[in-house]
Amino acid sequence: QVTLRESGPALVKPTQTLTLTCTFSGFSLSTSGMCVSWIRQPPGKALEWLARIDWDDDKYYSTSLKTRLTISKDTSKNQVVLTMTNMDPVDTATYYCARLTTALMGLDYWGQGTPVTVS
Amino acid sequence: DIQMTQSPSSLSASVGDRVTITCRASQSINSYLNWFQQKPGKAPELLIYTASSLQSGVPSRFSGSKSGTDFTLTISSLQLEDFATYYCQQSYSTPHTFGQGTKLEIK
Repeated sequence: QVTLRESGPALVKPTQTLTLTCTFSGFSLSTSGMCVSWIRQPPGKALEWLARIDWDDDKYYSTSLKTRLTISKDTSKNQVVLTMTNMDPVDTATYYCARLTTALMGLDYWGQGTPVTVS
Repeated sequence: DIQMTQSPSSLSASVGDRVTITCRASQSINSYLNWFQQKPGKAPELLIYTASSLQSGVPSRFSGSKSGTDFTLTISSLQLEDFATYYCQQSYSTPHTFGQGTKLEIK
Protein backbone atom coordinates (compact mmCIF):
# COMPACT_ATOMS: atom_id res chain seq x y z
CA GLN A 1 0.00 0.00 0.00
CA VAL A 2 1.07 3.57 -0.63
CA THR A 3 2.38 5.59 2.29
CA LEU A 4 4.26 8.87 2.60
CA ARG A 5 5.92 10.38 5.65
CA GLU A 6 7.44 13.81 6.10
CA SER A 7 10.41 14.45 8.35
CA GLY A 8 12.44 17.47 9.28
CA PRO A 9 13.06 20.00 12.04
CA ALA A 10 10.12 21.22 14.06
CA LEU A 11 11.77 24.55 14.78
CA VAL A 12 13.99 26.73 12.60
CA LYS A 13 15.32 30.23 13.12
CA PRO A 14 14.65 33.14 10.78
CA THR A 15 17.05 33.26 7.81
CA GLN A 16 17.91 29.57 8.16
CA THR A 17 17.33 26.97 5.45
CA LEU A 18 14.64 24.35 5.99
CA THR A 19 15.21 20.83 4.67
CA LEU A 20 12.27 18.44 4.60
CA THR A 21 12.32 14.82 3.50
CA CYS A 22 9.39 12.84 2.17
CA THR A 23 9.96 9.09 2.47
CA PHE A 24 7.46 6.99 0.59
CA SER A 25 6.63 3.38 -0.13
CA GLY A 26 4.24 1.47 -2.35
CA PHE A 27 5.31 3.17 -5.58
CA SER A 28 8.46 4.18 -7.39
CA LEU A 29 9.36 7.62 -8.64
CA SER A 30 11.13 5.98 -11.54
CA THR A 31 7.77 4.72 -12.85
CA SER A 32 6.27 6.77 -15.65
CA GLY A 33 3.43 8.98 -14.45
CA MET A 34 4.45 9.18 -10.80
CA CYS A 35 5.00 12.56 -9.18
CA VAL A 36 5.41 13.92 -5.65
CA SER A 37 4.22 17.36 -4.57
CA TRP A 38 4.75 19.48 -1.48
CA ILE A 39 1.92 21.51 0.03
CA ARG A 40 1.84 23.61 3.18
CA GLN A 41 -0.85 24.98 5.48
CA PRO A 42 -0.27 27.82 7.95
CA PRO A 43 -2.25 27.45 11.18
CA GLY A 44 -5.93 28.10 10.52
CA LYS A 45 -5.33 28.96 6.87
CA ALA A 46 -5.75 27.41 3.45
CA LEU A 47 -3.60 24.91 1.63
CA GLU A 48 -0.76 26.30 -0.49
CA TRP A 49 0.90 24.30 -3.26
CA LEU A 50 4.70 24.57 -3.19
CA ALA A 51 6.44 22.26 -5.64
CA ARG A 52 6.32 19.06 -7.65
CA ILE A 53 8.86 16.61 -9.02
CA ASP A 54 8.08 14.05 -11.70
CA TRP A 55 9.39 10.60 -12.55
CA ASP A 56 11.42 12.10 -15.39
CA ASP A 57 12.97 14.67 -13.02
CA ASP A 58 10.89 17.59 -14.29
CA LYS A 59 10.43 20.12 -11.50
CA TYR A 60 7.80 22.79 -10.91
CA TYR A 61 7.59 25.52 -8.28
CA SER A 62 5.25 28.03 -6.70
CA THR A 63 5.61 31.31 -8.56
CA SER A 64 5.95 33.37 -5.39
CA LEU A 65 8.42 30.99 -3.71
CA LYS A 66 10.46 29.64 -6.60
CA THR A 67 13.57 31.63 -5.76
CA ARG A 68 13.65 29.97 -2.33
CA LEU A 69 12.65 26.39 -3.15
CA THR A 70 14.55 23.39 -4.44
CA ILE A 71 13.01 19.97 -4.91
CA SER A 72 15.00 16.81 -5.61
CA LYS A 73 14.57 13.07 -5.53
CA ASP A 74 16.60 10.02 -4.60
CA THR A 75 14.87 7.20 -6.40
CA SER A 76 17.02 4.52 -4.77
CA LYS A 77 15.95 5.68 -1.30
CA ASN A 78 12.33 6.45 -2.25
CA GLN A 79 12.76 9.98 -0.99
CA VAL A 80 11.95 13.49 -2.13
CA VAL A 81 13.67 16.45 -0.49
CA LEU A 82 12.41 20.02 -0.37
CA THR A 83 14.65 22.86 0.73
CA MET A 84 13.40 26.35 1.47
CA THR A 85 15.93 29.09 2.08
CA ASN A 86 15.73 32.27 4.13
CA MET A 87 12.94 31.09 6.42
CA ASP A 88 10.65 33.68 7.97
CA PRO A 89 7.98 33.46 10.68
CA VAL A 90 5.30 33.63 7.96
CA ASP A 91 6.59 30.25 6.76
CA THR A 92 5.32 28.64 9.96
CA ALA A 93 3.01 25.87 8.74
CA THR A 94 2.34 22.18 8.50
CA TYR A 95 4.17 20.83 5.46
CA TYR A 96 2.72 17.89 3.56
CA CYS A 97 4.02 15.71 0.76
CA ALA A 98 1.58 13.90 -1.49
CA ARG A 99 1.61 11.62 -4.50
CA LEU A 100 0.17 12.69 -7.81
CA THR A 101 -0.25 10.35 -10.75
CA THR A 102 -0.73 11.65 -14.26
CA ALA A 103 -3.52 9.09 -14.64
CA LEU A 104 -5.68 10.86 -12.04
CA MET A 105 -4.00 14.28 -11.93
CA GLY A 106 -5.09 14.32 -8.31
CA LEU A 107 -3.14 14.10 -5.03
CA ASP A 108 -4.37 10.66 -4.03
CA TYR A 109 -2.10 9.85 -1.10
CA TRP A 110 -0.82 12.29 1.53
CA GLY A 111 1.61 12.14 4.39
CA GLN A 112 0.41 13.06 7.87
CA GLY A 113 2.23 16.39 7.67
CA THR A 114 5.08 17.83 9.69
CA PRO A 115 4.69 21.10 11.62
CA VAL A 116 7.43 23.66 11.24
CA THR A 117 7.70 26.76 13.40
CA VAL A 118 9.98 29.64 12.46
CA SER A 119 11.03 31.58 15.52
CA ASP B 1 -1.06 31.68 -12.08
CA ILE B 2 -4.61 30.36 -12.27
CA GLN B 3 -6.76 31.73 -9.46
CA MET B 4 -9.36 29.47 -7.85
CA THR B 5 -12.26 31.26 -6.19
CA GLN B 6 -14.28 29.09 -3.85
CA SER B 7 -17.66 29.93 -2.38
CA PRO B 8 -19.05 30.14 0.17
CA SER B 9 -16.20 30.42 2.65
CA SER B 10 -18.42 28.87 5.31
CA LEU B 11 -21.71 27.09 5.36
CA SER B 12 -24.05 25.85 8.07
CA ALA B 13 -26.22 22.85 7.32
CA SER B 14 -28.05 20.00 8.98
CA VAL B 15 -27.71 16.25 8.71
CA GLY B 16 -29.66 15.10 5.68
CA ASP B 17 -29.33 18.42 3.81
CA ARG B 18 -28.16 18.69 0.22
CA VAL B 19 -25.14 20.96 0.03
CA THR B 20 -23.36 22.61 -2.89
CA ILE B 21 -19.91 24.21 -2.91
CA THR B 22 -18.65 26.12 -5.92
CA CYS B 23 -15.20 26.79 -7.32
CA ARG B 24 -14.48 29.15 -10.23
CA ALA B 25 -11.24 29.11 -12.19
CA SER B 26 -9.79 32.34 -13.57
CA GLN B 27 -9.26 30.65 -16.95
CA SER B 28 -10.01 27.38 -18.66
CA ILE B 29 -8.67 24.35 -16.81
CA ASN B 30 -10.50 21.75 -18.91
CA SER B 31 -11.67 19.25 -16.31
CA TYR B 32 -8.54 19.26 -14.19
CA LEU B 33 -10.29 20.12 -10.96
CA ASN B 34 -10.00 18.16 -7.73
CA TRP B 35 -11.95 18.31 -4.47
CA PHE B 36 -10.49 17.51 -1.05
CA GLN B 37 -11.98 17.08 2.40
CA GLN B 38 -9.94 18.02 5.45
CA LYS B 39 -10.82 17.36 9.06
CA PRO B 40 -9.10 19.17 11.94
CA GLY B 41 -5.54 17.98 12.54
CA LYS B 42 -5.62 15.64 9.55
CA ALA B 43 -4.21 15.64 6.06
CA PRO B 44 -6.62 16.41 3.21
CA GLU B 45 -8.27 13.48 1.43
CA LEU B 46 -9.06 13.34 -2.27
CA LEU B 47 -12.79 13.08 -2.94
CA ILE B 48 -13.21 13.92 -6.62
CA TYR B 49 -10.66 14.18 -9.43
CA THR B 50 -10.97 15.52 -12.97
CA ALA B 51 -14.12 17.38 -11.96
CA SER B 52 -16.49 14.43 -11.63
CA SER B 53 -14.60 11.18 -11.01
CA LEU B 54 -15.19 9.71 -7.57
CA GLN B 55 -12.02 8.60 -5.83
CA SER B 56 -12.02 4.98 -4.72
CA GLY B 57 -13.65 4.46 -1.33
CA VAL B 58 -15.47 7.80 -1.31
CA PRO B 59 -19.23 7.54 -0.64
CA SER B 60 -21.52 8.05 -3.61
CA ARG B 61 -23.31 10.95 -1.89
CA PHE B 62 -20.36 13.05 -3.07
CA SER B 63 -20.44 14.19 -6.67
CA GLY B 64 -18.76 16.80 -8.84
CA SER B 65 -19.76 18.67 -11.96
CA LYS B 66 -18.45 21.28 -14.35
CA SER B 67 -19.93 24.12 -16.35
CA GLY B 68 -17.30 26.08 -18.24
CA THR B 69 -14.90 27.35 -15.63
CA ASP B 70 -17.36 26.78 -12.77
CA PHE B 71 -17.13 23.59 -10.77
CA THR B 72 -19.48 22.23 -8.13
CA LEU B 73 -19.13 19.74 -5.32
CA THR B 74 -22.45 18.35 -4.15
CA ILE B 75 -23.14 16.30 -1.06
CA SER B 76 -26.57 14.79 -1.61
CA SER B 77 -27.46 14.00 2.02
CA LEU B 78 -25.12 15.29 4.69
CA GLN B 79 -23.85 12.85 7.25
CA LEU B 80 -22.27 13.75 10.56
CA GLU B 81 -18.82 12.74 9.32
CA ASP B 82 -19.06 15.21 6.41
CA PHE B 83 -18.66 18.28 8.59
CA ALA B 84 -15.20 19.40 7.59
CA THR B 85 -13.39 21.91 5.37
CA TYR B 86 -13.44 21.38 1.62
CA TYR B 87 -10.87 22.61 -0.90
CA CYS B 88 -10.79 22.69 -4.65
CA GLN B 89 -7.53 22.54 -6.59
CA GLN B 90 -6.70 22.85 -10.25
CA SER B 91 -4.13 20.47 -11.73
CA TYR B 92 -4.29 21.83 -15.28
CA SER B 93 -1.09 23.81 -15.04
CA THR B 94 1.56 24.45 -12.43
CA PRO B 95 1.45 25.95 -9.90
CA HIS B 96 -1.48 23.72 -8.92
CA THR B 97 -3.40 26.35 -7.00
CA PHE B 98 -5.99 25.68 -4.30
CA GLY B 99 -9.16 27.51 -3.47
CA GLN B 100 -9.51 29.28 -0.11
CA GLY B 101 -11.61 26.51 1.41
CA THR B 102 -15.21 26.10 2.57
CA LYS B 103 -15.86 25.24 6.19
CA LEU B 104 -19.00 23.16 6.53
CA GLU B 105 -20.48 23.41 10.00
CA ILE B 106 -23.40 21.87 11.77
CA LYS B 107 -26.48 24.09 12.00
